Amino acid sequence: QAQLQESGPGLVRPSETLSLTCTVSGASITIDYWSWIRQAPGQGLEWIGYIHNSGDTNYDPSLKSRVTISMDTSKNHFSLTLTSVTAADTAVYYCAKGPKYFDLWGRGTLVTVSS
Amino acid sequence: EVVMTQSPATLSVSPGESATLSCRASQRVSTNLAWYQQKPGQAPRLLIYAASTRPTGIPARFSGSGSETEFTLTINSLQSEDFAVYYCQQYDNWPLFTFGPGTKVDIK
Repeated sequence: QAQLQESGPGLVRPSETLSLTCTVSGASITIDYWSWIRQAPGQGLEWIGYIHNSGDTNYDPSLKSRVTISMDTSKNHFSLTLTSVTAADTAVYYCAKGPKYFDLWGRGTLVTVSS
Repeated sequence: EVVMTQSPATLSVSPGESATLSCRASQRVSTNLAWYQQKPGQAPRLLIYAASTRPTGIPARFSGSGSETEFTLTINSLQSEDFAVYYCQQYDNWPLFTFGPGTKVDIK
């Protein structure tokens, strides 16, 4: 059974860059699509973007100017970079598998944006 | 953008009873709809995709129906572990995905 695990700083200062990594075990990231999804405290789910090993990436239009998703197949992980963060970016960030619906999720990691 | 709405926001149900949750899309999405269950402090879990298909391991008491703009998730004979928040998600407008705001099912 494949597993996903998010990692990265839990605190980021306003205007700085948020960077997270999702390490995949039990499956190869060269297959399938891999997404980042976030959930602000007490709120619903917001899809951020996805990546495929073919190089195909796509981002939510509202975040597109600040988001980059990349992958490192040698480490079997993919990463999220979100620039110029504000308090509105405080959320639990999940990585997930799936091109359209998401059948496997990481446990999530809380990122707080605060000075 | 396809906007998803869910009703009711909260549904109070007694254990053993059934629950019916609704999801509406602002435009037709065919049957490109998924449902997720989320318990406090946990990641969402996929319950239904293609509007009515259960992934392996999802109990048969969960069923989905609907198409285009109106969808329903039915939970029969609610068990204690079913009290959670349920989200719908459309993927017809691929590669852009949108989730509904969720329905909380709590104990009556």
